[in-house]
Amino acid sequence: QQQVKQSPQSLIVQKGGISIINCAYENTAFDYFPWYQQFPGKGPALLIAIRPDVSEKKEGRFTISFNKSAKQFSLHIMDSQPGDSATYFCAASIASGNTGKLIFGQGTTLQVKP
Amino acid sequence: SQTIHQWPATLVQPVGSPLSLECTVEGTSNPNLYWYRQAAGRGLQLLFYSVGIGQISSEVPQNLSASRPQDRQFILSSKKLLLSDSGFYLCAWSAYFRDPDTQYFGPGTRLTVL
Repeated sequence: QQQVKQSPQSLIVQKGGISIINCAYENTAFDYFPWYQQFPGKGPALLIAIRPDVSEKKEGRFTISFNKSAKQFSLHIMDSQPGDSATYFCAASIASGNTGKLIFGQGTTLQVKP
Repeated sequence: SQTIHQWPATLVQPVGSPLSLECTVEGTSNPNLYWYRQAAGRGLQLLFYSVGIGQISSEVPQNLSASRPQDRQFILSSKKLLLSDSGFYLCAWSAYFRDPDTQYFGPGTRLTVL
């Protein structure tokens, strides 16, 4: 019940296309859903995050869509660029308790072809 | 601004040797601190987290240990390394009071056990 399932494992998109990565969870107590971006040999960096009081959050070309009833959330990258090629991780946490523990998905390796 | 440091950046150690990885955070106080391991091409496995000095929670039973001797210092140790300990070790922090859910990762340590 503590798992976050992420798909696909890898994704190849043409430059200018839309990249979509999906995550699903079981624990209804989760109330914070961030996405992290990791380049090879680097630590992950927070990309965008959403809380369940909204169904969508957009920051530039990156959008999180959240479906509370389906217990799913997804990352959409519009106008994908070669510089977006990286590994993306979704995560979930329970905000109360101040531990900040995140449950991560297994990651999606995105390759954007020029 | 806050900065997180990890050292060493890379390490090659023989099986059975000890290990000490260090993580320090600057520019904040009372951070939550985390150690993750990432095997090649895999997701992030939470190893330990700490919400205060001397307070360590272990997520995965193994031959690793963690300590927090100072507020902004987190150390990962092992008495005898195994081949399976190879991986990319990441330290992260979050602001306990202000925003515990948002984790900021360090640059990582690449450990190879031969």
